[in-house]
Amino acid sequence: EAGVVQSPRYKIIEKKQPVAFWCNPISGHNTLYWYLQNLGQGPELLIRYENEEAVDDSQLPKDRFSAERLKGVDSTLKIQPAELGDSAVYLCASSLGSPNTGELFFGEGSRLTVL
Amino acid sequence: GESVGLHLPTLSVQEGDNSIINCAYSNSASDYFIWYKQESGKGPQFIIDIRSNMDKRQGQRVTVLLNKTVKHLSLQIAATQPGDSAVYFCAVSGGADGLTFGKGTHLIIQP
Repeated sequence: EAGVVQSPRYKIIEKKQPVAFWCNPISGHNTLYWYLQNLGQGPELLIRYENEEAVDDSQLPKDRFSAERLKGVDSTLKIQPAELGDSAVYLCASSLGSPNTGELFFGEGSRLTVL
Repeated sequence: GESVGLHLPTLSVQEGDNSIINCAYSNSASDYFIWYKQESGKGPQFIIDIRSNMDKRQGQRVTVLLNKTVKHLSLQIAATQPGDSAVYFCAVSGGADGLTFGKGTHLIIQP
């Protein structure tokens, strides 16, 4: 069974440019998460979806970040315009149910470098 | 909200020794706790979890201990191997909220 798939694995852009990340969760997983991981830090939640509904986006910087999960399956995370401080790894994860009902499965992440 | 902290950013142990990685959390209502392992360039990988109605749970070479009185969680790895070298995160959840991750402990295995 395929795990959580993310693309691209690496992206280098100049500041003020847009960037988008894509995530395909494990088949059948209703809950999808986007996390931000800075170097040497633990993952921090950006947004959580239950099916196609964003149920927790309180930590998403909405002035430049947006996300969507059309049809409740795969998801995209967009940054426009990117800033130097956005350089980080963007992790996608999925789970069968809510966060306290079982394991979150993570993808390998998309590493963003903003120059 | 929840805050999660680890006691040591780096832990160095000899191959074959046992390792103990500690974690503290702040919210007494937290009821689900997970340890993740993250190797360089990869996403976090589930190791073991425990719920608040338990104080100990064992897996293959790993044991998680939960002390709700002092809000402390630990991961014990028996007979550490080179493949155990990674960053270990504890993650904590209370109710339907998302997981809150600690900063991670980098486990280094000395030959």
